[in-house]
Amino acid sequence: AQSVSQHNHHVILSEAASLELGCNYSYGGTVNLFWYVQYPGQHLQLLLKYFSGDPLVKGIKGFEAEFIKSKFSFNLRKPSVQWSDTAEYFCAVKDTDKLIFGTGTRLQVFP
Amino acid sequence: NAGVTQTPKFQVLKTGQSMTLQCAQDMNHEYMSWYRQDPGMGLRLIHYSVGAGITDQGEVPNGYNVSRSTTEDFPLRLLSAAPSQTSVYFCASSALTGSQETQYFGPGTRLLVL
Repeated sequence: AQSVSQHNHHVILSEAASLELGCNYSYGGTVNLFWYVQYPGQHLQLLLKYFSGDPLVKGIKGFEAEFIKSKFSFNLRKPSVQWSDTAEYFCAVKDTDKLIFGTGTRLQVFP
Repeated sequence: NAGVTQTPKFQVLKTGQSMTLQCAQDMNHEYMSWYRQDPGMGLRLIHYSVGAGITDQGEVPNGYNVSRSTTEDFPLRLLSAAPSQTSVYFCASSALTGSQETQYFGPGTRLLVL
């Protein structure tokens, strides 16, 4: 079965800093990959997803992610974070009928 | 559309009590699922359903039952609550349209078992 690793558990940045959150999945073949965000006190919302085609995926709020098949990775990036990006970020991979989540990365952005 | 709704928002139970967490969606989605979210462990799949009358187990099914008698509803039952079931529970739904489905999450139910 697929598994997802998010190596950054807690990231602290100042506003305007660049962000990259790591995500690795366990095995290859055709994969559907997702990044979800959970703002404090809220439910999960989809940031972006990759199914096929261009490996550089653009999502909402200036986020993007790059699918690198050879590295089994789907890292999330943002060139300049804002205080409002403070949230928990989850990478997920679809495994047949199931969506398998990583353990999440908590991002804190300070003004 | 209301999307995915969950009730209650908060619940406190004593060990051994039973309860049902309700989940409903109005998007005519075939796929529905239940997750629990615990600190440092992300979201773990409890049970899921690909359509009315069909359910299957996820990663952590023990202690939970589900049924899917209609497309709209997917209740999660705790038959005998244990402190280890203290968690935040999220219901999600999606269409089964090949590779394009996206899961929509409900607002969550925060459960405390004493």
